[in-house]
Amino acid sequence: GAGVSQSPSNKVTEKGKDVELRCDPISGHTALYWYRQRLGQGLEFLIYFQGNSAPDKSGLPSDRFSAERTGESVSTLTIQRTQQEDSAVYLCASSLVGGKGDTQYFGPGTRLTVL
Amino acid sequence: AQSVTQLGSHVSVSEGALVLLRCNYSSSVPPYLFWYVQYPNQGLQLLLKYTSAATLVKGINGFEAEFKKSETSFHLTKPSAHMSDAAEYFCAVSVFGNEKLTFGTGTRLTIIP
Repeated sequence: GAGVSQSPSNKVTEKGKDVELRCDPISGHTALYWYRQRLGQGLEFLIYFQGNSAPDKSGLPSDRFSAERTGESVSTLTIQRTQQEDSAVYLCASSLVGGKGDTQYFGPGTRLTVL
Repeated sequence: AQSVTQLGSHVSVSEGALVLLRCNYSSSVPPYLFWYVQYPNQGLQLLLKYTSAATLVKGINGFEAEFKKSETSFHLTKPSAHMSDAAEYFCAVSVFGNEKLTFGTGTRLTIIP
């Protein structure tokens, strides 16, 4: 079946603009995660959605970052008033149930460049 | 909180030689451990994972890893390197009740012809 998809694949924006990144998880997966990968670094957790539970937002770096998920489908990560340090690849992952070592399947990522 | 340390940001091995990528973890509760591979300009792909069953885990492409609690390690090995193994490898940890993955900083593997 189809994997995790993300759009756009690349986004170039000017400092101070808002951006929206989209993630379509694997159908039937109840858990969805957002991570950030800065150049030459590992992945940083941003936010986690599990079913109808309140999301785990503990990784969001500032209040300029927010994310929504509609039911168990699409998620949108929004960055307001972008800064140059927001430049990174934003990766989305989904898993069947979340927890207990459930495998997270990653999308190809959105490369964000803030000029 | 759990953490992962990958020793060696860059590793080079000759084609046909043993591949050994090191990962040590820190966790106050039993961990779940993962190795992911990232090929250039691609997303992450799961190689293998440990979830408290057998301590020796076999994955795709001939890779395996052994969970050693006494050494808090989960090193990745492959007996014979192939040119197609050139990629970046990430070790990650999660625990029950905290489903996010905590990643190491990655090891770039180069294969020498």
